[in-house]
Amino acid sequence: DTGVSQDPRHKITKRGQNVTFRCDPISEHNRLYWYRQTLGQGPEFLTYFQNEAQLEKSRLLSDRFSAERPKGSFSTLEIQRTEQGDSAMYLCASSLWGTNTGELFFGEGSRLTVL
Amino acid sequence: AQSVTQPDIHITVSEGASLELRCNYSYGATPYLFWYVQSPGQGLQLLLKYFSGDTLVQGIKGFEAEFKRSQSSFNLRKPSVHWSDAAEYFCAVGPPGSGNTGKLIFGQGTTLQVKP
Repeated sequence: DTGVSQDPRHKITKRGQNVTFRCDPISEHNRLYWYRQTLGQGPEFLTYFQNEAQLEKSRLLSDRFSAERPKGSFSTLEIQRTEQGDSAMYLCASSLWGTNTGELFFGEGSRLTVL
Repeated sequence: AQSVTQPDIHITVSEGASLELRCNYSYGATPYLFWYVQSPGQGLQLLLKYFSGDTLVQGIKGFEAEFKRSQSSFNLRKPSVHWSDAAEYFCAVGPPGSGNTGKLIFGQGTTLQVKP
């Protein structure tokens, strides 16, 4: 399957620990997005990359959050000094900008539980 | 403020019955409009989208949606629901003009339950 893959699918951590999520987009896609989805809510935009450049970050992305996309392929989202409020599903999506299809392809998400 | 409202948190319909899921938005200009479906354990999947032109758009799995500018609405419909349609449905809007923006604003979702 060549869809968007995310790892790990589930992560349980204690408050104050650091966690890192990885996203592998569809190989030819040049844009990669991170969203956060809390229980009972729709996804909220966090940040996105075009190739290796991070083009925009939401105000939701505090200083404890950092995302990278080295070499324009996979991406990582790191959360430092986790808080209970960080518990959520972190979704990655990719798209091929310039094709005018308007479609994001989402991964299955990485669920974070902070105890 | 830009926002998307899905007034119905939870809807139950009988299999074979028709379905309409409501979506209203608040945006400075007419945005690009999307409906996504999320099944348990699966990623969000695009059902259909509206950029411009014909206000009735067809999507996958027999879904359609109608854009009504005067009502700032983009309601999703299906004439006959199948048990496999049980899922969570999200309406989303994105900034117009680029044709392929991923910075979407999502509604909070509507959970569809299908009775046999």
